[in-house]
Amino acid sequence: AQSVTQLGSHVSVSEGALVLLRCNYSSSVPPYLFWYVQYPNQGLQLLLKYTTGATLVKGINGFEAEFKKSETSFHLTKPSAHMSDAAEYFCAVSLGSNYKLTFGKGTLLTVNP
Amino acid sequence: AAGVIQSPRHLIKEKRETATLKCYPIPRHDTVYWYQQGPGQDPQFLISFYEKMQSDKGSIPDRFSAQQFSDYHSELNMSSLELGDSALYFCASSPPGLAGRGSYEQYFGPGTRLTVT
Repeated sequence: AQSVTQLGSHVSVSEGALVLLRCNYSSSVPPYLFWYVQYPNQGLQLLLKYTTGATLVKGINGFEAEFKKSETSFHLTKPSAHMSDAAEYFCAVSLGSNYKLTFGKGTLLTVNP
Repeated sequence: AAGVIQSPRHLIKEKRETATLKCYPIPRHDTVYWYQQGPGQDPQFLISFYEKMQSDKGSIPDRFSAQQFSDYHSELNMSSLELGDSALYFCASSPPGLAGRGSYEQYFGPGTRLTVT
């Protein structure tokens, strides 16, 4: 079984500030990890994913995440927040190909001018 | 690029009625997943199909059924609707993986918002 914990249901940053959204996972096997973004009344868009290989993965819109096995973490970062980054962010884990995604509870990111 | 298509986008039903949600995966994708997202909640996996066969089942009520057809589109049938079924229902699709058993990448549709009154 797998589970995801996102620390902080709401994160607020100023425009231009560092964005850090935390995600910890629990998995009985090496996991596949994902970050999705959801804008109001829209679907889920894949930001980035980790499957194997390089532990620092880069995604769209300047986001990146680092897989740290020892800490069972997959935190999402962006050096400089933009107003358009305001959205709900979901961390998700999968046990492998053709497997369901298990999502965290989500973190609402607010960007202040 | 083609995306996952879901219809209808919005649906309003009364209690005890039935509803059918449709999902058209990205061309050449062979796996379809259904998720339910309640208000302010994270998406919860309902059911998935690979090559028209059910491949996994999550927290899907017995009142719900689903299938994948020969053209790979999928339908989620919901009967005896309850107020608690009001949610956003997402469909996602995956392309064939290297091993021919699906891919880890899931592409989500825009969702169908079901409101039960």
